[in-house]
Parts: sequence; structure tokens; C-alpha cells
Amino acid sequence: SQKIEQNSEALNIQEGKTATLTCNYTNYSPAYLQWYRQDPGRGPVFLLLIRENEKEKRKERLKVTFDTTLKQSLFHITASQPADSATYLCALAFSGNTPLVFGKGTRLSVIA
Amino acid sequence: NAGVMQNPRHLVRRRGQEARLRCSPMKGHSHVYWYRQLPEEGLKFMVYLQKENIIDESGMPKERFSAEFPKEGPSILRIQQVVRGDSAAYFCASSGQGGASNQPQHFGDGTRLSIL
Repeated sequence: SQKIEQNSEALNIQEGKTATLTCNYTNYSPAYLQWYRQDPGRGPVFLLLIRENEKEKRKERLKVTFDTTLKQSLFHITASQPADSATYLCALAFSGNTPLVFGKGTRLSVIA
Repeated sequence: NAGVMQNPRHLVRRRGQEARLRCSPMKGHSHVYWYRQLPEEGLKFMVYLQKENIIDESGMPKERFSAEFPKEGPSILRIQQVVRGDSAAYFCASSGQGGASNQPQHFGDGTRLSIL
């Protein structure tokens, strides 16, 4: 069966360091991969979308990579700040018309 | 703020009652998606609608659950004869173009449903 795993439930890092979150999948050949941020009691907020033919996408301090051979996406936040503390969700889809399938998320805590 | 609006934010029902959850998409968006989230679980897709049409309801239970997105007014997720297991956060998202997954989805802040 299809499975999405985000590397850990929780990740603690020091302010200023780079946070790296992992999203692994099995039995999938996704066409699209998206990353979202979710704060407690709030809905997810879209961050980045990457397509299967793209290796990397950047937006300000965020970078996403997509390795279809390793079946893995890495999400990086450089120069992390306490305000980056949140749960980060990855989501996959086979095609543009299939539903997004979400991972359980990784809770990131950036310590000042 | 023209974001996705969901109401109510919190809803308490007794077993056997009906729950109606409302979602107004972002202005100009005609695609709506409903998700359910349990504590420590990921978001689970339920249903995808366009105006007056259900496009994909593969994630929605066949019984007691229904969804609509009328020509005028918000999208409604309806749960009849609620049971304790229906307690969860229900999120709605919208997008402006066709295709469920190749566009960013804009989420509301959810309705937290509690069943007594």
C-alpha cells in the first residue's frame, strides 16, 4: 500500500541553524509534492509546490528538493527563527486530478 | 480578509444529531476540498467539489456523510446521526484552478466537532 513518512514527529534545533525535514514515500510515483505549515488551532498554509521533473525549488529561506529515485523530498529552512516553530506537512499527488495525500507532519521547535 | 471562512469554529453535538459544517471559499475560487484531521494524524481527504458538482468523493464514508457546493452560497459538509468517532477537526480548502493537486490549496481554520 502507499505510504508517506515524515522523518520524525518532532525536531528541535537552535536558532540560526538550518532545519532539514524529510518526507519519504513508498509505492508512489507522485507527479506533485507540496509542503504546508500548520500552527496549533489553525489550518495549513501553503509553502511550496514541486513537480516530478523539478529537482529543487526555493522561496526566500525555504528550499525543497525532490528525488524521485530515492523517493524522498527534503525541506530546508535556513537561518531558522523561533517564529518558524510549527508543524510542517508534506503532501503528494499522482496527478493534477487526484487528491492530495498528507503525511502526519513534523513538529519543528526553534530554540532561541 | 478574503480567505477561506469556515463556521462554526467549534460545534458540539449529541450522538444521533446532525452536524452541518460550512465553508466559504476564497473569492474567485470555484474548487473546494474537505479534509478531516484526528489528533496526531495527518489530514485525510474526504471530498472535492466544484460549483454544483461532486468531482471526487472517494474519501468520504458512504453512509451518513454528504457534501454540496451550490451555485449560490457556501459549501456544506453534512453528517447525519453523528457518533463519537466523528469527533475531529474538519478543514476546508479552496483553489482557483482545476486540478486537485497541481495548485496550492488555501485552507480555512477548521471546525472542531465534538460529539457528546
